[in-house]
Amino acid sequence: DVKVTQSSRYLVKRTGEKVFLECVQDMDHENMFWYRQDPGLGLRLIYFSYDVKMKEKGDIPEGYSVSREKKERFSLILESASTNQTSMYLCASGPLGHLINYGYTFGSGTRLTVV
Amino acid sequence: AQSVTQLDSQVPVFEEAPVELRCNYSSSVSVYLFWYVQYPNQGLQLLLKYLSGSTLVKGINGFEAEFNKSQTSFHLRKPSVHISDTAEYFCAVSDFTGGGNKLTFGTGTQLKVEL
Repeated sequence: DVKVTQSSRYLVKRTGEKVFLECVQDMDHENMFWYRQDPGLGLRLIYFSYDVKMKEKGDIPEGYSVSREKKERFSLILESASTNQTSMYLCASGPLGHLINYGYTFGSGTRLTVV
Repeated sequence: AQSVTQLDSQVPVFEEAPVELRCNYSSSVSVYLFWYVQYPNQGLQLLLKYLSGSTLVKGINGFEAEFNKSQTSFHLRKPSVHISDTAEYFCAVSDFTGGGNKLTFGTGTQLKVEL
């Protein structure tokens, strides 16, 4: 089975800190994604990447950046954390092209609290 | 841009009763539709998908969904629910953009099965 591993299950950070959320997948997938999940808002796409060093903005990229130096790893960066970034963050991966329509594989999520 | 609407934020139902979770989408092109399930404190798991062909799609755990192009709907059904089906359910549509695909999610429906 494809595994998508998010390095932290829970994180508590202070306002203004630089925060790194790490995601690693083990199935050689080209596509990787970062979503944010909030009650009543569902999942909203922050950034995605379809190749190493490639990235595209999703629907809510403000306040975030990403890094993909290796195919298996996709990092989400909060340059200066703010309380409105308190949320559940979900990473996902999937193959390129038409195969993506067989669905993504999600990690278990990182619940970030910014105080 | 594609979008997904899940009109019901919460659906309470008694065990062994049937259930329908509603999903409507908007798109100007051919679509690929998905239902994901999220159990408490877990990531998302693919329940079923519609890519093409038969409009009635069967998934895991006894769930099925019907694609209706004229009504732009993809409702999820189960004839008899179990307490273990208590979870949040997300409808999603696939969108090919740039070099890759992305999934756009609805806001989710919380299914609560009661004894």
